[in-house]
Amino acid sequence: QITLKESGPTLVKPTQTLTLTCTFSGFSLTTPGVGVGWVRQPPGEALEWLAHIYWDDDVYYSLPLKTRLTITKDPPKNQVLLIMTNMDPVDTATYFCAHRVLGKDAFDVWGQGTVVTVSS
Amino acid sequence: AAQLTQSPSSLSASVGDRVTITCRASQDISISLAWYQQKSGEPPKLLIFDASTLESGVPSRFSGSGSGTDFTLTITGLQPEDFATYYCHVFKSYVAFGGGTKVEIK
Repeated sequence: QITLKESGPTLVKPTQTLTLTCTFSGFSLTTPGVGVGWVRQPPGEALEWLAHIYWDDDVYYSLPLKTRLTITKDPPKNQVLLIMTNMDPVDTATYFCAHRVLGKDAFDVWGQGTVVTVSS
Repeated sequence: AAQLTQSPSSLSASVGDRVTITCRASQDISISLAWYQQKSGEPPKLLIFDASTLESGVPSRFSGSGSGTDFTLTITGLQPEDFATYYCHVFKSYVAFGGGTKVEIK
């Protein structure tokens, strides 16, 4: 059974850097074809894709946010990290991580999400 | 990168109704389209991928169709648990979500 869980600070100040951790089980990020992505959702708004990373270190970023995002993986720890710099109140959102496998063009299993508020 | 436009943004329907939601891509995305259901306070749940393939465990009243730029999600025989927000999603080298369609009780 695949599970993912997001963790990180619930409150960050404007201009600070946010680091979120996705800890997963039921799959390995060393298996060919496997990937993990991050998606966020501001309160009452639509889903917004941020980034994803594959078993072979191939990474993709949302173009509008590319200069602020870094996604990395730590397979022995079964973790994927998302780093977002220069946080702003508009970045207040629920942040989700999700599993993907090549051949299925979708995120098929999602974490419950973690709420991040940006405020001074 | 393709952008996705969903319509309508919201709709009211009754239990038992047939509901159709459309998603239009700004460029040809072949069949690389997925549909998700999201209930308040929960993560999205994958319903359909590759435009028309039902995810394992999803009831057969959900169906998807389309290719290229025009896609449809249909719920045949709306159930009480189907009142939620639905999102389309393109997953290629770029990734994008539609703006969502909220299905409310009439």
